[in-house]
Amino acid sequence: TQLLEQSPQFLSIQEGENLTVYCNSSSVFSSLQWYRQEPGEGPVLLVTVVTGGEVKKLKRLTFQFGDARKDSSLHITAAQPGDTGLYLCAGGGRAGGYQKVTFGTGTKLQVIP
Amino acid sequence: DAGVIQSPRHEVTEMGQEVTLRCKPISGHDYLFWYRQTMMRGLELLIYFNNNVPIDDSGMPEDRFSAKMPNASFSTLKIQPSEPRDSAVYFCASSLGGPTEAFFGQGTRLTVV
Repeated sequence: TQLLEQSPQFLSIQEGENLTVYCNSSSVFSSLQWYRQEPGEGPVLLVTVVTGGEVKKLKRLTFQFGDARKDSSLHITAAQPGDTGLYLCAGGGRAGGYQKVTFGTGTKLQVIP
Repeated sequence: DAGVIQSPRHEVTEMGQEVTLRCKPISGHDYLFWYRQTMMRGLELLIYFNNNVPIDDSGMPEDRFSAKMPNASFSTLKIQPSEPRDSAVYFCASSLGGPTEAFFGQGTRLTVV
């Protein structure tokens, strides 16, 4: 079973601060996605990374895929209240002949104005 | 595009009753997924379809759960009989090309009392 552990589980910060969320596994993934989920809504895809060491930027969000494709990080610069939500990483691969996706345990972020 | 549409948004039922959740995927998407989200277990993939055919149902918890996709624009997830431990938010998602990069519906919050 592929497991994705995210840390921290909860994060409460002031507007304008920087933060990093981590997503770790002992398994290798062919791709990794980051989603954000707001209360009462489904997860919304933010980014996909596929190459070891890849870095992608989405405005104030920077995503990195580990060199060994087992881990990833999400860094937010100058957090805004609109960044509040549950951040989920998801690893894609194959197992038992099927395409698989495993979601991480989640990081709940609260940005206080 | 209206996105993935799920109904109902909320369902409260008594233990032992049959529950049917419905989903309309995004037009043109060839993959459809059913997920369950709880505080304890996070987001779990239950089953997915490719071109209306069930591909991987290894996540379906037990025989009380069944899913169908009679055509490209409609799917159901049925629980019969329902139990209190089935209480969760159930998401339907769809995508082009596989389980990664999925578009999620708003979910159905199921409460079994």
